[in-house]
Formats: sequence, C-alpha cells, structure tokens
Amino acid sequence: EAGVAQSPRYKIIEKRQSVAFWCNPISGHATLYWYQQILGQGPKLLIQFQNNGVVDDSQLPKDRFSAERLKGVDSTLKIQPAKLEDSAVYLCASSLAALNQPQHFGDGTRLSIL
Amino acid sequence: EDKVVQSPLSLVVHEGDTVTLNCSYEVTNFRSLLWYKQEKKAPTFLFMLTSSGIEKKSGRLSSILDKKELFSILNITATQTGDSAVYLCAVEARAGNQFYFGTGTSLTVIP
Repeated sequence: EAGVAQSPRYKIIEKRQSVAFWCNPISGHATLYWYQQILGQGPKLLIQFQNNGVVDDSQLPKDRFSAERLKGVDSTLKIQPAKLEDSAVYLCASSLAALNQPQHFGDGTRLSIL
Repeated sequence: EDKVVQSPLSLVVHEGDTVTLNCSYEVTNFRSLLWYKQEKKAPTFLFMLTSSGIEKKSGRLSSILDKKELFSILNITATQTGDSAVYLCAVEARAGNQFYFGTGTSLTVIP
C-alpha cells in the first residue's frame, strides 16, 4: 500500500513570499489532515477535510493560510504571505472515514523562512 | 479546552533499560488514544487504545489506558538504540475524527 505522499520535502523562502505544499493521501482515505509541527512541539491541527468538505479549520490562520481539496483526493496548503513564525514541518495525514481509525502520516515538508 | 500532556519531556537511558512514558488528557467525547513514534520523518503508528485496562503489546512495546484516571502509559523493555525517537500521544475527540497531540517525549538510548 502506497503511503501518504507530500512534496516538496524542503522549502526555503523569504518572509512575505508565498509557498504551497501538496499532499496525496492513501487511496480510499476520505479524511485528510494538515498539521503544523514547530521544532520541539507536537503536531498542531490546521485543517481537516472529509472528502472535499472542511470539518475543522478553527486553528488555521485564515488571513494567510488557505487549503483546498477540490476533488476529494489531493490537497494543497498555501501560505501567503509567509512570516518567520511559520517555519515548521507541515505534515499531511489521512485516515479512513470511520471512528477509531489511526492516521497515517506523510514525511512532511520542512519550511524555513529567512 | 481539550488538552494532552506528556511526561517526561525528555529521557536518556542506557541500552537494556526499561522506560515508561506517560500521557494524560482532558478531552470531551473521548474516542481513542494513540501512540506514535517519530524519528526524523513522519510519525509512525504504534497503538490505538479505546478500552480501559486492556494492554496492547507489540514486541518490547506495550501500552495501557485508564479512562477513569484519564491517562495512558507506554512501556519499552530492553531498550535499544533504535528506540531513540520522539514518542507522541494523541487523543481522538469529539465526533469528527479530530486528533489532539501532546508535545512528545524525546527518548535517547545510549549504547
């Protein structure tokens, strides 16, 4: 079974620039999550999709972050404009759309803001 | 506010030692508690616990949940250098497959 795919693996940009991350979940997984993991901390949920609908985006800084999952499969997360505090690893995860199902994570995108 | 707290924050042991990692939680509508191991890349799934008092075991790792006292422990016996990682605890809460993570315990196993 192919895992969750993310790209790019690394990204370095200057503050105020924009950046986009891509995620392809495990086939058949209806639920998709984006997390932000700052160094030394646990992952923090940014947004959760069920198919192409948003379930929870309460912790997404909507003035600069946006995400979409138009066809209920792949998803993109965008930051525009980036700030220094956005430096983190952005993890995508997916799970079956059922209770008590574990999440499976991608390798993440490490973002550094200069 | 839903909260997941892990302790200790970091731990250094020698190969062969046994370690116990702790995870306590305060959540509404608890569904399950999960343990993950995170090395340099993605967290990898270890255990999912839904019922109190039933130990889950995989090789040298085991975990148990206490839903009355709202905590879980992860035990690793006969530790090896390959066990060095950050161990994350997450709680699935509310009705929408939402997960809340603790800050993790960083384990270093010295040869």
